Amino acid sequence: NAGVTQTPKFQVLKTGQSMTLQCAQDMNHEYMSWYRQDPGMGLRLIHYSVGAGITDQGEVPNGYNVSRSTTEDFPLRLLSAAPSQTSVYFCASSYLPVNYGYTFGSGTRLTVV
Amino acid sequence: AQTVTQSQPEMSVQEAETVTLSCTYDTSESDYYLFWYKQPPSRQMILVIRQEAYKQQNATENRFSVNFQKAAKSFSLKISDSQLGDAAMYFCAYRSRGGGSEKLVFGKGTKLTVNP
Repeated sequence: NAGVTQTPKFQVLKTGQSMTLQCAQDMNHEYMSWYRQDPGMGLRLIHYSVGAGITDQGEVPNGYNVSRSTTEDFPLRLLSAAPSQTSVYFCASSYLPVNYGYTFGSGTRLTVV
Repeated sequence: AQTVTQSQPEMSVQEAETVTLSCTYDTSESDYYLFWYKQPPSRQMILVIRQEAYKQQNATENRFSVNFQKAAKSFSLKISDSQLGDAAMYFCAYRSRGGGSEKLVFGKGTKLTVNP
């Protein structure tokens, strides 16, 4: 079982560049979300989705876009990378309702220079 | 909005000893879920234990147990017989059971060091 697969694992971007972080799950989970983890800040919710075609903003959505065209995939797009977006990004998924927590991907470490 | 506070940024324990990590949360709700996640140096987030607020009995998973004090809004994690592999960041998380909210709110984490 693959679980939640995130690619790439590491990425370095220049300021102003755009890129897409990929997230795919094979568990038929309805709920998917993106978090960013920064030192001393814990995990903060960026965007989430409760099903194909449905997305919503989390706590820190500025500078990021998402879409959910299929149940399996939930890509996160950085429109114009900024140094403040240097972080570790986690994709997480779950059945609905989320009674048993999330299954997390292994994370993407992004550095914006 | 609910908040989760982990007041101990770092903790250390001797191998084979017991350590308790603290977590408090702020909510006006009566029904919710609480979780502890472990993040070892590999970066992978691993669910350690969960607690349903309407259950009075404290959850246990092998060497991991919780002390859930609903009135005090406290949810501490006890690790018994600590092992070197327990060294990790530990995150406490809250999820409301009502209102269609599926979001987990995380604390800022506690870094646990296990000394041989």
